[in-house]
Amino acid sequence: QKEVEQDPGPLSVPEGAIVSLNCTYSNSAFQYFMWYRQYSRKGPELLMYTYSSGNKEDGRFTAQVDKSSKYISLFIRDSQPSDSATYLCAMRGGSYIPTFGRGTSLIVHP
Amino acid sequence: DTAVSQTPKYLVTQMGNDKSIKCEQNLGHDTMYWYKQDSKKFLKIMFSYNNKELIINETVPNRFSPKSPDKAHLNLHINSLELGDSAVYFCASSPPGQGNTGELFFGEGSRLTVL
Repeated sequence: QKEVEQDPGPLSVPEGAIVSLNCTYSNSAFQYFMWYRQYSRKGPELLMYTYSSGNKEDGRFTAQVDKSSKYISLFIRDSQPSDSATYLCAMRGGSYIPTFGRGTSLIVHP
Repeated sequence: DTAVSQTPKYLVTQMGNDKSIKCEQNLGHDTMYWYKQDSKKFLKIMFSYNNKELIINETVPNRFSPKSPDKAHLNLHINSLELGDSAVYFCASSPPGQGNTGELFFGEGSRLTVL
């Protein structure tokens, strides 16, 4: 079992839909949870960052962490074609080196 | 003004050749990394340098040799290229200090194809 599991998709949704992206993990030492967005032929960029359990909202994006279930989610409201990208979850403990999920490919069609 | 820049963006070469990828960051970060992203988008750490010193060396064949001439540069040299080395190689950097998010700033990647 990999330390971080993420369904690669692709996930195809119509414009305006609510998108839910998820990761599970096995390492209980993870405390910092991140979502990176990677457009085609580009490097990943940090989208959301959360410490420990709870929710964090930024515009149309909400990151949710449930440490008891070892489960994290990213919700995108009112999805737009410009949200089409690969979303990688990442997490770390005390080390500054994050462990990445393999990414979920999201396609938002007009 | 690109924060983390890598050259070249594309490399196509024959098996057995040697190639280098260069990386420079102008963010003033102390720590730099090389990541490999395979065809299934899995992003895996290869090396990490802090202030020119190697701090992480994952299980990578010794055909891969990183070199950091100063804290703004981290280059990757690959000897005797193999088909399985085909991937996108990302350079990244992160700021120093406790309490920061540890956010990684990635370059645009160098796409290596070994024929």
